[in-house]
Amino acid sequence: EDKVVQSPLSLVVHEGDTVTLNCSYEVTNFRSLLWYKQEKKAPTFLFMLTSSGIEKKSGRLSSILDKKELFSILNITATQTGDSAVYLCAAYNTDKLIFGTGTRLQVFP
Amino acid sequence: DAGVIQSPRHEVTEMGQEVTLRCKPISGHDYLFWYRQTMMRGLELLIYFNNNVPIDDSGMPEDRFSAKMPNASFSTLKIQPSEPRDSAVYFCASSLARLAGGRGFFGPGTRLTVL
Repeated sequence: EDKVVQSPLSLVVHEGDTVTLNCSYEVTNFRSLLWYKQEKKAPTFLFMLTSSGIEKKSGRLSSILDKKELFSILNITATQTGDSAVYLCAAYNTDKLIFGTGTRLQVFP
Repeated sequence: DAGVIQSPRHEVTEMGQEVTLRCKPISGHDYLFWYRQTMMRGLELLIYFNNNVPIDDSGMPEDRFSAKMPNASFSTLKIQPSEPRDSAVYFCASSLARLAGGRGFFGPGTRLTVL
């Protein structure tokens, strides 16, 4: 059965801290790994990763994929209160996205 | 483009009533997905369509749930009869298969409360 597992389930940090969110997957016909940020509404797209070892970066967020070990990480440096959200990763096979349960990040001032 | 449109945004109903959720995908997208999100189970895929044809409905919880896509610009998810455990946020998403990775665009969701 296809599955995506995220860790930790939740994380509480102070502003300025750096966090690393983990995502492992076992998905047949894997094509790519996607990261979403979800506040109190629909998930919004952050990154899509298709190749191993190539870091994608957007401001303070970065992500990388390891297709050999079947995992991805999402890093957030110098966290801000606005980063508080649930971060979802999803593995895309030939047809659909399979989501993990998410990591809830809370950033306090 | 207006993005994926869902209606209603909120629905409160009583147990036993029929509920119909609606979705208009992004024009030109050939995949449409229905998801359900709860605190306990996270985001679950219920069913998806390709070119209006249901491809995989293995996530539909039981016979009380049904989904249709009569044309490329409209889909419905129906629950009949509804039960309190159906309370959740239901998201519709669409994507264009030709895009590498199948990035999905989510609608704003329908928050369903069954009393």
